[in-house]
Amino acid sequence: SAVISQKPSRDICQRGTSLTIQCQVDSQVTMMFWYRQQPGQSLTLIATANQGSEATYESGFVIDKFPISRPNLTFSTLTVSNMSPEDSSIYLCSVETGETQYFGPGTRLLVL
Amino acid sequence: GNSVTQMEGPVTLSEEAFLTINCTYTATGYPSLFWYVQYPGEGLQLLLKATKADDKGSNKGFEATYRKETTSFHLEKGSVQVSDSAVYFCALTGSARQLTFGSGTQLTVLP
Repeated sequence: SAVISQKPSRDICQRGTSLTIQCQVDSQVTMMFWYRQQPGQSLTLIATANQGSEATYESGFVIDKFPISRPNLTFSTLTVSNMSPEDSSIYLCSVETGETQYFGPGTRLLVL
Repeated sequence: GNSVTQMEGPVTLSEEAFLTINCTYTATGYPSLFWYVQYPGEGLQLLLKATKADDKGSNKGFEATYRKETTSFHLEKGSVQVSDSAVYFCALTGSARQLTFGSGTQLTVLP
């Protein structure tokens, strides 16, 4: 398994601003993923972030809105840009190890 | 593409009742199957998994068997506790190694 931490754990932001979420894992992993969980909903994959390459975004998500960095094998960031109330969600990172994905505790974002 | 269909919730049970949450899937190839649990205010925790047909995953009294012939991975527990109250997600990974989730089932266990 893997131990994953995320910062911040929660935040309240004003519309039009941006927030960067950090994801730190306790071991080196190749594949990291970012998910969004809208209120009362299931998880939707935003993008896959592999170290040394550009993130791969899912349909409906674009780099200008959700830029991702992956500077090394233990760390990644997701930025939610130019936020609107519709971006209020839980954002979770996950890593794959042993053909299984393990999740961080999530970042709870409220946009006013 | 891949998809997961999960039993509609919410589900409310009395303590020590038997639990079944149905999950069926559509996928190409041979997916791995998972159950994740999300306790109130927390992230997702892996509950159990199965990687090939007829495998049984088990953890904390929960079980699920990978049934290829019925494309199902139903979650069961013989005697639920109040502490099992959570949202349960069925999921699969295919060749792209991305998780596809079901809609989630809210379970409430009453004392």
